[in-house]
Amino acid sequence: EVQLVESGGGLVQPGGSLRLSCAASGFTFSTSGMNWVRQAPGKGLEWISYISRSGTIYYADSVKGRFTISRDNAMNSLYLQMNNLRDEDTAVYHCARGYCSSGSCLDYWGQGTLVTVSS
Amino acid sequence: DVVMTQSPLSLPVTLGQPASISCRSSQTLVHSDGNTYLNWFQQRPGQSPRRLIYKVSNRDSGVPDRFSGSGSGTDFTLKISRVEAEDVGVYYCMQGTHWPLTFGGGTKVEIK
Repeated sequence: EVQLVESGGGLVQPGGSLRLSCAASGFTFSTSGMNWVRQAPGKGLEWISYISRSGTIYYADSVKGRFTISRDNAMNSLYLQMNNLRDEDTAVYHCARGYCSSGSCLDYWGQGTLVTVSS
Repeated sequence: DVVMTQSPLSLPVTLGQPASISCRSSQTLVHSDGNTYLNWFQQRPGQSPRRLIYKVSNRDSGVPDRFSGSGSGTDFTLKISRVEAEDVGVYYCMQGTHWPLTFGGGTKVEIK
């Protein structure tokens, strides 16, 4: 069974940093592209970053230069380093599997971890 | 960026009746490889999103056959043939053809 479990969320002040993790199991993580998608309270879904199995990376403009996606295939883990956080980064952050120019686009999601940016 | 526009915003439906959600993209979603990477997601209250449909019309495993997707180019539709109580939630279209990936704003399906 595919499982994605996020952790690392919490309350942080504006300008602060946080590192999210996503532990993957039930599939061959090393051959899968992975994504981060967030959802602000009461709002819709926003894709923010993707990393391929070989390390190709894409970001949404809203986080480019502040967030860094990475992965550790030996640990079956995905990460999101978030720096210079803003109020508008407050959201539930989900990791989701897949490369979207294929049939595996966002086919499995984690339950999410809540990040609250507030003073 | 490709803008995905869904309508309606809210869709009250009587149990057992059909429902239809429209999704339009600001650019064609036909990829250079010939495929069209348009997906539909369901988010039930309090739950994570779940993919229902990929590449316009392919149902995911376990998705009831009352859900169907259709369309081409820039114009797409998700249909529920007979709405059941468990279908309540927000539905999102999402394009995977162009970077950055983009979602529609969502359509809230509720029971009348």
